[in-house]
Amino acid sequence: QKEVEQNSGPLSVPEGAIASLNCTYSDRGSQSFFWYRQYSGKSPELIMFIYSNGDKEDGRFTAQLNKASQYVSLLIRDSQPSDSATYLCAGIGAAGNKLTFGGGTRVLVKP
Amino acid sequence: GAVVSQHPSRVICKSGTSVKIECRSLDFQATTMFWYRQFPKQSLMLMATSNEGSKATYEQGVEKDKFLINHASLTLSTLTVTSAHPEDSSFYICSAPTDSYYGYTFGSGTRLTVV
Repeated sequence: QKEVEQNSGPLSVPEGAIASLNCTYSDRGSQSFFWYRQYSGKSPELIMFIYSNGDKEDGRFTAQLNKASQYVSLLIRDSQPSDSATYLCAGIGAAGNKLTFGGGTRVLVKP
Repeated sequence: GAVVSQHPSRVICKSGTSVKIECRSLDFQATTMFWYRQFPKQSLMLMATSNEGSKATYEQGVEKDKFLINHASLTLSTLTVTSAHPEDSSFYICSAPTDSYYGYTFGSGTRLTVV
C-alpha cells in the first residue's frame, strides 16, 4: 500500500466549474499535508498546506483534512484553463520531516 | 523568500559518464536537502536526504555508490550520477525545508538525458 494515494485522472472539468481532488494517506501519525501544482517539465509549486482538521480556504482553493478518515481533499473553484496541471498531494510522516508524495492527479480544464 | 538555485536545468551526457547537479540555497542555510527523481508521468520519488557535514541517507533501492551526494556546506548540496546509463534519464529535483509546515523550497529541476 502506498503511503499517499491519489486518483491519477485525468480529471476533466469545464472552465468555471469546480474541480475536486482527493488524497488518502496510510500513516496515521502524519501531521501536515500539502497540495502542489506541477506543470509539465517544471518543479512543484505550493498551493496550500493544512494541518488542522476541517477546511482551509485561500482564494479559489479550499483544502480539507479529515484525520479520522485519513483523507485530504482540494477544491478548485471557477477552474481556469491555466489550472490544467498535475496536482500532487504530500504529507509529512510522524517519523520526521520527509515529504511523501502521492502519484498526482492530472487535471484538464476545458474552455 | 527562500530560494534554491539548481543547475544545470538540462544536461545530455553519454552513457558511462558522470554528471553533477548542484543545488544552492541563496538566502538561507539549508542544513538538509532532499533529492527526488521523477520519471515521466510519475510522481516525485525521494532518493536521499543529505545533511550538512554528514553522510546522506538513501531510500531503499537507491544505489548510494551510483548517486553520490555531498553536502559540504550550509548552502550547497550536490548529486553526482556516476556511470550514467539511459535508465538514469529522469527529472531530478532538490528541495530544502525552510520553516516548518509549509517551508519546503524546491529547485527548478534538472532534466538528465543519457544517450
